[in-house]
Amino acid sequence: AQKVTQAQTEISVVEKEDVTLDCVYETRDTTYYLFWYKQPPSGELVFLIRRNSFDEQNEISGRYSWNFQKSTSSFNFTITASQVVDSAVYFCALSGFDFGNEKLTFGTGTRLTIIP
Amino acid sequence: DTGVSQDPRHKITKRGQNVTFRCDPISEHNRLYWYRQTLGQGPEFLTYFQNEAQLEKSRLLSDRFSAERPKGSFSTLEIQRTEQGDSAMYLCASSLGDRLDTQYFGPGTRLTVL
Repeated sequence: AQKVTQAQTEISVVEKEDVTLDCVYETRDTTYYLFWYKQPPSGELVFLIRRNSFDEQNEISGRYSWNFQKSTSSFNFTITASQVVDSAVYFCALSGFDFGNEKLTFGTGTRLTIIP
Repeated sequence: DTGVSQDPRHKITKRGQNVTFRCDPISEHNRLYWYRQTLGQGPEFLTYFQNEAQLEKSRLLSDRFSAERPKGSFSTLEIQRTEQGDSAMYLCASSLGDRLDTQYFGPGTRLTVL
């Protein structure tokens, strides 16, 4: 069975501060995908990133960066110089790699509030 | 740019009534997924289609739930004899169907059962 844990239920930071959202996962699969999605108040899940399990290179996209550590089963997400528009619920998710195993298992989400 | 669309966006119904939701995937996407999200939780998988074939159903999908994708394009999710516990956001996602592909989500249908 797959499981994703986002221990931080809510985080509030002042604008321009950096913030890291934690994600820990469990899976018996040797290959898998990890994802982050953003859910703004409008409710639509917005895809942010996908990483496969055999590529542990960290990734940076503008103010966003992701740290994947297979040894600790973690896939953390950092927002640098946070902005009010970053306020949303962020979900970490996991899927299998093989055909028929692509359904997503989500964590419970972290509600991020950026205070102006 | 046409993303995943869902209709209606909101539905209020009385307990015991039947409801049907529609999802239109991104054009040329072969895979279509349904998820359910309750307040304060992450989305949970319900079922998915590869073209018109329904390939997997979650245990969450009771006998009162049925999903179809008759021509491999849009999909419908019907809930019969709704219960208050069915109140949730129903999310649809689509993907190309390649294992390297990503699921893109629609805006969801928020169901409230009174």
